[in-house]
Amino acid sequence: AQSVTQLGSHVSVSEGALVLLRCNYSSSVPPYLFWYVQYPNQGLQLLLKYTSAATLVKGINGFEAEFKKSETSFHLTKPSAHMSDAAEYFCAVSPLGAGNKLTFGGGTRVLVKP
Amino acid sequence: DTGVSQNPRHKITKRGQNVTFRCDPISEHNRLYWYRQTLGQGPEFLTYFQNEAQLEKSRLLSDRFSAERPKGSFSTLEIQRTEQGDSAMYLCASSPSGGADTIYFGEGSWLTVV
Repeated sequence: AQSVTQLGSHVSVSEGALVLLRCNYSSSVPPYLFWYVQYPNQGLQLLLKYTSAATLVKGINGFEAEFKKSETSFHLTKPSAHMSDAAEYFCAVSPLGAGNKLTFGGGTRVLVKP
Repeated sequence: DTGVSQNPRHKITKRGQNVTFRCDPISEHNRLYWYRQTLGQGPEFLTYFQNEAQLEKSRLLSDRFSAERPKGSFSTLEIQRTEQGDSAMYLCASSPSGGADTIYFGEGSWLTVV
């Protein structure tokens, strides 16, 4: 069974500072990995996904994530936080060949301080 | 491409009543998914369809829940004899097919059972 752990349910960063959100997964085989963002009272929007191509994945809004198989990690970063980045972020895993059914982590809420 | 559409966006119902949610996926997307999200948690998979066939159901989907996709287009999720524990946001999503295809989420339907 797949599982996803997001370290830190809340992260506070200053505007302009680095954003780092941690995600570790467990899977018997390398899976597909995703980061989604959710703004209040809205659905989820895909930020980026890893599908076994390049290990460094660039997404929308300046976010990127690096797949590290040895660490079973897929951490999300953004060099400079913007006020509009305040939202909840979810890491998700989908095992290969499993119909892309997503298993989500518990989420990390990001607060951006001016 | 008008996105995944869900109705109603909000529903308040009394315990024991039945409720139905509708989802219109992105046109020509073969796969349709239902997830449930409670406050402070990541979405949890409920079920998914490939065209009109329901291919998988989670253990979370008790006998009181039923989902249909009669013509392989829109889908409905019905909850019978609602309980307070059913209060959550119900998210619908769709994708072109399986594999690494991006899953697009709707804005969700909030259910409050009083």
